[in-house]
Amino acid sequence: QQQVKQSPQSLIVQKGGISIINCAYENTAFDYFPWYQQFPGKGPALLIAIRPDVSEKKEGRFTISFNKSAKQFSLHIMDSQPGDSATYFCAAKARGYNKLIFGAGTRLAVHP
Amino acid sequence: GAGVSQTPSNKVTEKGKYVELRCDPISGHTALYWYRQSLGQGPEFLIYFQGTGAADDSGLPNDRFFAVRPEGSVSTLKIQRTERGDSAVYLCASSLKGTDTQYFGPGTRLTVL
Repeated sequence: QQQVKQSPQSLIVQKGGISIINCAYENTAFDYFPWYQQFPGKGPALLIAIRPDVSEKKEGRFTISFNKSAKQFSLHIMDSQPGDSATYFCAAKARGYNKLIFGAGTRLAVHP
Repeated sequence: GAGVSQTPSNKVTEKGKYVELRCDPISGHTALYWYRQSLGQGPEFLIYFQGTGAADDSGLPNDRFFAVRPEGSVSTLKIQRTERGDSAVYLCASSLKGTDTQYFGPGTRLTVL
């Protein structure tokens, strides 16, 4: 199972701005791509997930953009709020497997 | 309904000691996973149970680590002869059979002195 590469490591955004976090992968067997949000001292919580048969999925202020040919996917947080300040992880799961492979995480700080 | 629960929330032990970490999954979830999260890193897979059996234990780092799920519900992660490098947050997750969404517990922070 190859890794998932996530960038940037940290991100500072002003309230109301757009936060963008990117992930790239190599394994073409990956067929499920979730994004998790984690607050200090808590477990990761699923935000939104996508499969490679669609190029975009939106849920509220959160959007995943997926580029199958480039093997990249990104999370966009619109109208970022201070309460969105957390660490975000992209992950991937390969066809036939159940384990998630996580990126290294992005620490987001939204300043008022 | 209740989410995934893990006990204890914190565990401090001395090098060489044995520890057990417990996970209580969401009721009805037949799939259970253990992950380990080191400081500043993403969770790393350890082991996956479907029912009572370990369907994938490829992430266990060595034979000091062992996990059981005897009745297909609660699981215990067991670490023998703990080392300082075992210090991390141990996360448990569960999911419904045939679905991909994994629900995580709050984790157990293990510190080996």
